[in-house]
Amino acid sequence: DVKVTQSSRYLVKRTGEKVFLECVQDMDHENMFWYRQDPGLGLRLIYFSYDVKMKEKGDIPEGYSVSREKKERFSLILESASTNQTSMYLCASNRVGEQYFGPGTRLTVT
Amino acid sequence: GENVEQHPSTLSVQEGDSAVIKCTYSDSASNYFPWYKQELGKGPQLIIDIRSNVGEKKDQRIAVTLNKTAKHFSLHITETQPEDSAVYFCAASINQAGTALIFGKGTTLSVSS
Repeated sequence: DVKVTQSSRYLVKRTGEKVFLECVQDMDHENMFWYRQDPGLGLRLIYFSYDVKMKEKGDIPEGYSVSREKKERFSLILESASTNQTSMYLCASNRVGEQYFGPGTRLTVT
Repeated sequence: GENVEQHPSTLSVQEGDSAVIKCTYSDSASNYFPWYKQELGKGPQLIIDIRSNVGEKKDQRIAVTLNKTAKHFSLHITETQPEDSAVYFCAASINQAGTALIFGKGTTLSVSS
């Protein structure tokens, strides 16, 4: 059974904190993705990665960075969290075609 | 860049009726069009997809049609059931390999019994 796991289901952080969201997949997929999901806005692509140490900007990369040191792990970093980054964050992975999603991390920045 | 528009944003039907969700895309180079279903508290899950060399694809009660000339594609669900209630997203590929996607804003489908 394919699996994408995210480090936390719920996270509360303070403005200005550095935040790490971790994603791990066990399917040996080359591609990994980070999205944020907001009501009425759907899923918006933040960053994606085709290979270890490679990254590409998505639609809304501002305020975020990513790290992919190992094939199975893709981290999303909020260098200095702000209240407008309160959202649901979804990680996904694939080889070709279907993307497999994790359950999401609901981040609240106060 | 690619833009995907999805309509309607909400859809309410009676059990047994059909439901249709429509999407348009802007980039004629897009070649892969999946549909995802998201249930409460879960990540989206693929329900059906279609590639640009095919006009229609069916899987039991679910079908997708693609009109490349008009750049639109639609999801059709027949004989709806309460368990079809969820948020549905269409998407279009943004790279040649079809591995990266841009999603529509989603449609909340409610099926009442």
